[in-house]
Amino acid sequence: NAGVTQTPKFQVLKTGQSMTLQCAQDMNHNSMYWYRQDPGMGLRLIYYSASEGTTDKGEVPNGYNVSRLNKREFSLRLESAAPSQTSVYFCASTGQGGTGETQYFGPGTRLLVL
Amino acid sequence: GENVEQHPSTLSVQEGDSAVIKCTYSDSASNYFPWYKQELGKRPQLIIDIRSNVGEKKDQRIAVTLNKTAKHFSLHITETQPEDSAVYFCAGMEYGNKLVFGAGTILRVKS
Repeated sequence: NAGVTQTPKFQVLKTGQSMTLQCAQDMNHNSMYWYRQDPGMGLRLIYYSASEGTTDKGEVPNGYNVSRLNKREFSLRLESAAPSQTSVYFCASTGQGGTGETQYFGPGTRLLVL
Repeated sequence: GENVEQHPSTLSVQEGDSAVIKCTYSDSASNYFPWYKQELGKRPQLIIDIRSNVGEKKDQRIAVTLNKTAKHFSLHITETQPEDSAVYFCAGMEYGNKLVFGAGTILRVKS
């Protein structure tokens, strides 16, 4: 099992460019999440998908969109990147949706917006 | 929604000493509290968790305590080793199985 995988590992964008961050899990998990991590601010939830076919906003959704393509894949799109979106992005997934199930994180995508 | 505060932001201890990190939460309905360890450049990984029907849980050198009345929980690491140096995050779970993380504690173990 690869667990949770993310691509790309690192990306540099210019202001206004768009890109999609990809995430996939092979653990047959129902729920998937996108977080951003900034120094001194912990992990903040951008969007999540409780199950295939559903998506909901988290704490910091502005400037992002998501697609739950199927049970395995959950992508995050930046339509018009801004320097404030420079961050490390983590995807995570969790099992059958029961309360208190471990969230498994991907390796992260480091994004620099110039 | 849930709000989680974590203290201290940095903690330096001598190898072999104990380290304690404390978190408070706001939502009395929260019932699951995990702790994650993140090494430099790596992904967060779960090290221990506790549910609200339990007051304390131990796993070798790591323990977590929960005080529901006061709405706070703590991570205790005994006999610290250099490999314990990392950033530690606490979290609370709010409605919808969403985790709300604290800001993190940088733990440095000096040898």
